[in-house]
Amino acid sequence: NAGVTQTPKFRILKIGQSMTLQCTQDMNHNYMYWYRQDPGMGLKLIYYSVGAGITDKGEVPNGYNVSRSTTEDFPLRLELAAPSQTSVYFCASSIQKPSTDTQYFGPGTRLTVL
Amino acid sequence: AQSVTQLGSHVSVSEGALVLLRCNYSSSVPPYLFWYVQYPNQGLQLLLKYTSAATLVKGINGFEAEFKKSETSFHLTKPSAHMSDAAEYFCAVGGTGGFKTIFGAGTRLFVKA
Repeated sequence: NAGVTQTPKFRILKIGQSMTLQCTQDMNHNYMYWYRQDPGMGLKLIYYSVGAGITDKGEVPNGYNVSRSTTEDFPLRLELAAPSQTSVYFCASSIQKPSTDTQYFGPGTRLTVL
Repeated sequence: AQSVTQLGSHVSVSEGALVLLRCNYSSSVPPYLFWYVQYPNQGLQLLLKYTSAATLVKGINGFEAEFKKSETSFHLTKPSAHMSDAAEYFCAVGGTGGFKTIFGAGTRLFVKA
């Protein structure tokens, strides 16, 4: 049982480039999330999904897109990368909604946009 | 609306000393409260959570937290710090009335030998 896995671990992008951050969970959780973590700011919710085919915006969705074609996978797409997207990105999942349930986090992707 | 304030972005203690990390919350509905820990270069993992049952909640690795409604606090404590406790700790608030969890800014704990 690997839990939540993310790839890549590190990435450097040039301004204007695009990339996809991959996230997979093997716990059969319906709920999945993408957060970004900036120093001194805690975690901010980018997008979330309550099941395959259902996604919605979180607090900071601008510049990102997601899809959820399967229960296991929840990729995050960055289009036209900007320096403001330099951050650490975490994928997470839970059985029930996050306000009442434990979230299980992946190890993170550290992204730098230059 | 909900919010979380963690007092002190950095806390330093000696090995064997008491660990106290402070968290105050604001919530218009009965809260669920969480403490997550993040070890270097890892994702967050749950330490403990309060779900309106017992006000004193015991978690992993000897940590515990007490829910005090009158003080709107949920401080995290451990009687004796260990070097392996060095990490960043996040307090978070949720509840049955909403969907999201609101995270505090985090407190980095340093443990001195």
